[in-house]
Amino acid sequence: AQTVTQSQPEMSVQEAETVTLSCTYDTSESDYYLFWYKQPPSRQMILVIRQEAYKQQNATENRFSVNFQKAAKSFSLKISDSQLGDAAMYFCAYRSSLLSGSARQLTFGSGTQLTVLP
Amino acid sequence: DAGITQSPRHKVTETGTPVTLRCHQTENHRYMYWYRQDPGHGLRLIHYSYGVKDTDKGEVSDGYSVSRSKTEDFLLTLESATSSQTSVYFCAIRPGPNTEAFFGQGTRLTVV
Repeated sequence: AQTVTQSQPEMSVQEAETVTLSCTYDTSESDYYLFWYKQPPSRQMILVIRQEAYKQQNATENRFSVNFQKAAKSFSLKISDSQLGDAAMYFCAYRSSLLSGSARQLTFGSGTQLTVLP
Repeated sequence: DAGITQSPRHKVTETGTPVTLRCHQTENHRYMYWYRQDPGHGLRLIHYSYGVKDTDKGEVSDGYSVSRSKTEDFLLTLESATSSQTSVYFCAIRPGPNTEAFFGQGTRLTVV
């Protein structure tokens, strides 16, 4: 079974600075998807960024980018120019590319609570 | 907006009572999921469905059952609620095999 580990329960960053959230995962598969979701106090789960394992290029969405290290099974999220609205719980998630059985599910890490300091 | 509605949004119930949570989607997507969120655990899969009457167990399915008699509705039932089932419950849908999941707004359930 796949596991996802977020070793930083809490992090803080000064507004306008850069912060990196860590995520590692364990899998025996070669093709899969990785995601970062954001959960603000409203409780809504919002997709931040997605990475396909077969793509060598790191995904980028505006101020959010990832550092995907497939061999090391590492998938960190970098937030540049942090804003107060970035304060939230961030979850890393894994999904197999296989189409059958439990491969259809997302496996989540335990989350990192990000505080943005004004 | 992925067109997902969870009901109720909040519920307090007594130990031993049955509880049913509803997830309704407007887009006719095939894949639907129920997760629970607890501090220190992230989201964990309870049950999922890949079509009408096609459901399967997830990681934490004990004490829960599901039904999907229509494409648009996925029901989660706690047959006899326990305090350990106090949690926030999320429904999610996935439009296709290679797409991301979209989540409902969650239901906070408290079992007293």
